[in-house]
Amino acid sequence: EPEVTQTPSHQVTQMGQEVILRCVPISNHLYFYWYRQILGQKVEFLVSFYNNEISEKSEIFDDQFSVERPDGSNFTLKIRSTKLEDSAMYFCASSVGQGDNSPLHFGNGTRLTVT
Amino acid sequence: DQQVKQNSPSLSVQEGRISILNCDYTNSMFDYFLWYKKYPAEGPTFLISISSIKDKNEDGRFTVFLNKSAKHLSLHIVPSQPGDSAVYFCAALAAPYSGAGSYQLTFGKGTKLSVIP
Repeated sequence: EPEVTQTPSHQVTQMGQEVILRCVPISNHLYFYWYRQILGQKVEFLVSFYNNEISEKSEIFDDQFSVERPDGSNFTLKIRSTKLEDSAMYFCASSVGQGDNSPLHFGNGTRLTVT
Repeated sequence: DQQVKQNSPSLSVQEGRISILNCDYTNSMFDYFLWYKKYPAEGPTFLISISSIKDKNEDGRFTVFLNKSAKHLSLHIVPSQPGDSAVYFCAALAAPYSGAGSYQLTFGKGTKLSVIP
């Protein structure tokens, strides 16, 4: 079964550094998402992306975050200047469409640790 | 602001018995609901969903019930198996076609299910 793949599985970075989290969505999917889960908390929506532009973003997704689909297969999340509170599991997801009959398929996540 | 609530952080069930996981929501714009299962070190995996036009959806051992008037849904797993031990997330979506919809899933905090052999 096709999978969403994320790299790296674990990223450690110093506060203030830039990080890029990478994702390869399922090939025939058109909608792409980033979610995050801070340890012990719920999974939170960050951003959705369709047709090469952001569809929606949450309050969490401020100016230090950006997303890009640099080619036909990758979908990246960039955090420009990391903060301690950015430490979390970051999940990429993709879907064929929206709503009914188009559930999100998640990758295994990238654990980001900011020191 | 917890729009999706899973009030039981954990649940233990004997193998072979029924597991019932509950979820409540407050946003009346939600009209599509999903359950995800998550194992440690893995991402959430889609399990089953239900649209608000239905009150029940069944897929093998998994059944989701929706009570719109109570803004409550539940996931039934029967019979429960040790491999079902995982964290289960309830998630909700306000359909884009409603005009005030959203493309973002709103998750509950999850319920950790332990199925005891």
